[in-house]
Amino acid sequence: EEQLVESGGGLIQPGGSLRLSCAASGFLVSSEYMIWVRQPPGKRLEWVATMYSVSGSTKYADSVKGRFTFFRDNPKNSVILQMNSLRVEDSAVYHCARAKWFNPHWSFDLWGRGTLVTVSS
Amino acid sequence: QSVLTQPPSVSAAPGQKVTISCSGTSSNIDHNYISWYQYFPGSAPKLLIYGNDKRPSGIPDRFSGSKSGTSATLVITGLQTGDEAHYFCGTWSSDLTVGGVFGGGTQLTVL
Repeated sequence: EEQLVESGGGLIQPGGSLRLSCAASGFLVSSEYMIWVRQPPGKRLEWVATMYSVSGSTKYADSVKGRFTFFRDNPKNSVILQMNSLRVEDSAVYHCARAKWFNPHWSFDLWGRGTLVTVSS
Repeated sequence: QSVLTQPPSVSAAPGQKVTISCSGTSSNIDHNYISWYQYFPGSAPKLLIYGNDKRPSGIPDRFSGSKSGTSATLVITGLQTGDEAHYFCGTWSSDLTVGGVFGGGTQLTVL
């Protein structure tokens, strides 16, 4: 069964760092496009970052660019979101998801249940 | 950033039909494709509809989607208590790096 499981969330002070992991089973993350999205409390989902399957290159939302790093851990078949210089407004449930090309558009066919990040002093 | 607007909540009785709307603008919905997701808080969201009206394998045909202009609709027929969940729409362009937008979500209550 294909599955994504996030971990690593928690309570952190502003300016701190957290590393979120998303472990995949049933498929290889290195063969898929993967994204992170987040849902702040009471707000809608928003895109955070994307990783391309083959190249491993990444793109980030402006709100996290320069602070977050998205990378792969192929031996663990996981993707990682390293979050530095965290701000209160980064508080959210973070989901990883697999992007699929349903010509001619993208959609997200597999999601994790998410991990809660709370940035507060 | 443009957004997709959904009603906060809808409700219907078991066996009935419910529709959930998703309204956007010409810059998001009109020239893109809508997906719908089902979300039980604490669980992983599930893709119900992609390409406006297509179901992934395993999704019952009680779930259907449509789009007209800048509005999309999710229809659930033969409501079951297990359908009580949060539903949200989303649209993404052909460029995965540009990002996309999601609706605010609609809580379905099966009375």
